[in-house]
Amino acid sequence: QSALTQPPSASGSPGQSVTISCTGTSSDVGGYIYVSWYQQHPGKAPKLIIYEVSKRPSGVPDRFSGSKSGNTASLTVSGLQAEDEADYYCSSFAGGPWVFGGGTRLTVL
Amino acid sequence: QVQLVQSGAEVKKPGASVKVSCRASGYTFTGYYMHWVRQAPGQGREWMGWIHPNSGGTDYAQKFQGRVTMTRDASVSTAYMELTSLRSDDSAVYYCARGAGGSYFDSWGQGTLVTVSS
Repeated sequence: QSALTQPPSASGSPGQSVTISCTGTSSDVGGYIYVSWYQQHPGKAPKLIIYEVSKRPSGVPDRFSGSKSGNTASLTVSGLQAEDEADYYCSSFAGGPWVFGGGTRLTVL
Repeated sequence: QVQLVQSGAEVKKPGASVKVSCRASGYTFTGYYMHWVRQAPGQGREWMGWIHPNSGGTDYAQKFQGRVTMTRDASVSTAYMELTSLRSDDSAVYYCARGAGGSYFDSWGQGTLVTVSS
């Protein structure tokens, strides 16, 4: 059982928007701005796509956006493209350790 | 560009130890924390700890204290994670990940599958 709760799956058609939630507690997601999101394609290394709740690293399309409300963080993928089909994981600093979500498999229909 | 290349898959018997390496390139190895994260089959990711390659200082997750040792060899830009007294539930993919901004992981290794089986 993961410390952060994510839906196991999400899906959308090309061009649509999909939002993936990541629910924690006041000791992690709710207590810090240090929420990050990672994309992982099968057989590949994870890739950072969002850090500090809503910041995008250089090279990450602005179709990816992040937000947070209380103990829940969210990743929104707008204008879905076929290459967005992947596993997505959230992570939060928890005052010393880091905690992760169980991952969400995003399917582009 | 930043690259983290991990050692290959391992099969170990219960009670044995495993040592996974993570060779860094494309940046100053001693300037960034290196974290280790694992993912067991059907489970979420689990943070194991970090090492600062400059000082050698470490911080381990409470769950792994006493069983994990993280070291580094700055001369070859390589970090190591050794886990002892292996159990079947240690079977997992182990990742190294570069720490950035004090709060996230901006580059990851490809993962090393460790299988613990008698």
